[in-house]
Amino acid sequence: QVHLVESGGGVVQPGRSLRLSCTASGLTFSSFAMQWVRQPPGKGLEWVAVISYDGRRKFYGDGVKGRFTVSRDNSENTMYLEMNNLRPADTAEYYCARDPAAGRDGVFYGMDVWGQGTTVTVSS
Amino acid sequence: SYVLTQPPSVSLAPGETAIIPCGGDGLGDKGVHWYQKKPGLAPVLVVYYNNDRPSGIPERISGSKSRNTATLTISRVEAGDEADYYCQVWDPVSNRVVFGGGTKLTVL
Repeated sequence: QVHLVESGGGVVQPGRSLRLSCTASGLTFSSFAMQWVRQPPGKGLEWVAVISYDGRRKFYGDGVKGRFTVSRDNSENTMYLEMNNLRPADTAEYYCARDPAAGRDGVFYGMDVWGQGTTVTVSS
Repeated sequence: SYVLTQPPSVSLAPGETAIIPCGGDGLGDKGVHWYQKKPGLAPVLVVYYNNDRPSGIPERISGSKSRNTATLTISRVEAGDEADYYCQVWDPVSNRVVFGGGTKLTVL
């Protein structure tokens, strides 16, 4: 059974950095693209980033482009989200998810398996 | 940027049929996916590629698409169906995942 576990969330001051991790089990991690999605309190789902199976293709949502960086280590079955210059508007529950597509040629799909989420709070 | 439009809320009594639309320009060219989101829980994929159901999703839940509108239909709604429902596509023009604003389904 596919299992995704996020970690690294917490409370951080505005302008600081945080790194989230997503560790996968029960799947051939290196065959799938991976996604990050967040949900701010009381708001809808917001897409954050996607990374292809081999890490060569990465795309970002408008609200995080230039501040967040997605990466992956296929040898460790883990994806990361490096979040810099955090703002209060980044406060949200952050989910990682598997994309059934590999992301070859920049073709992605969505999310078929989700982690349980990790909470990020940006506040002074 | 590409936009998906959903009604903010749908309310109905148990046993009725919920119809949740999702509109977007050129939606006919895209695969539409639907997620159920309950408070405190991770989202769950309930329909993928317009009208396919993942294993474990009841047949009461179905998807369809016609031109610029995709539709999630939940027959014989139950209290347990109460949740927010989101449609989603991948936009290859902007290289973005796009979510609709979500529809809150309330079972009266």
